[in-house]
Amino acid sequence: AQSVTQLDSQVPVFEEAPVELRCNYSSSVSVYLFWYVQYPNQGLQLLLKYLSGSTLVKGINGFEAEFNKSQTSFHLRKPSVHISDTAEYFCAVSYGGATNKLIFGTGTLLAVQP
Amino acid sequence: DTAVSQTPKYLVTQMGNDKSIKCEQNLGHDTMYWYKQDSKKFLKIMFSYNNKELIINETVPNRFSPKSPDKAHLNLHINSLELGDSAVYFCASSSVGLAGGPRTDTQYFGPGTRLTVL
Repeated sequence: AQSVTQLDSQVPVFEEAPVELRCNYSSSVSVYLFWYVQYPNQGLQLLLKYLSGSTLVKGINGFEAEFNKSQTSFHLRKPSVHISDTAEYFCAVSYGGATNKLIFGTGTLLAVQP
Repeated sequence: DTAVSQTPKYLVTQMGNDKSIKCEQNLGHDTMYWYKQDSKKFLKIMFSYNNKELIINETVPNRFSPKSPDKAHLNLHINSLELGDSAVYFCASSSVGLAGGPRTDTQYFGPGTRLTVL
């Protein structure tokens, strides 16, 4: 079955430290990968996406992610986090096709501490 | 201009009632979706419509009935509300290009409707 795994439910990190949020997906011939961020009591905002081309994808707010086909991973990174980055981060995969159904991971709470 | 909007933002109601949530997108997309986010923040697709036709119907109780009057609107009607229906419901839109139009695989989400059933 198609699935997305975010192993870390919560990642505490100090301000200005680097962070990596992990995401793995079940293998398929072609995938589209997304990271969404959800700030408290708000909707989902697209951070970045991989559809094709360069495996290193840059997004908003200084985030980037690398698509690794052999490891079926799409980890999210930021070299220096801010308090304002505290939020829930969701990795999602679509296998394209007629429905473009998004399958979400269970989310990772990034908790940035001063 | 808000790209994907939902009304109401909050909905508090009693068990057994019937309620509706409305969604509108002004992005010119041809496909709209409803997702449910439970208390543990898990997001799951419920329905999807492409040009007013149902294309995704996950295992959802038939008390939930989506309706798409046109491709810019997708409403969700829920009959006989139960405690377990309490959740945040998100609408989203994208273009899958089934009718020969442009395709974008990015889904854009609305702000969510927090439904609380008492």
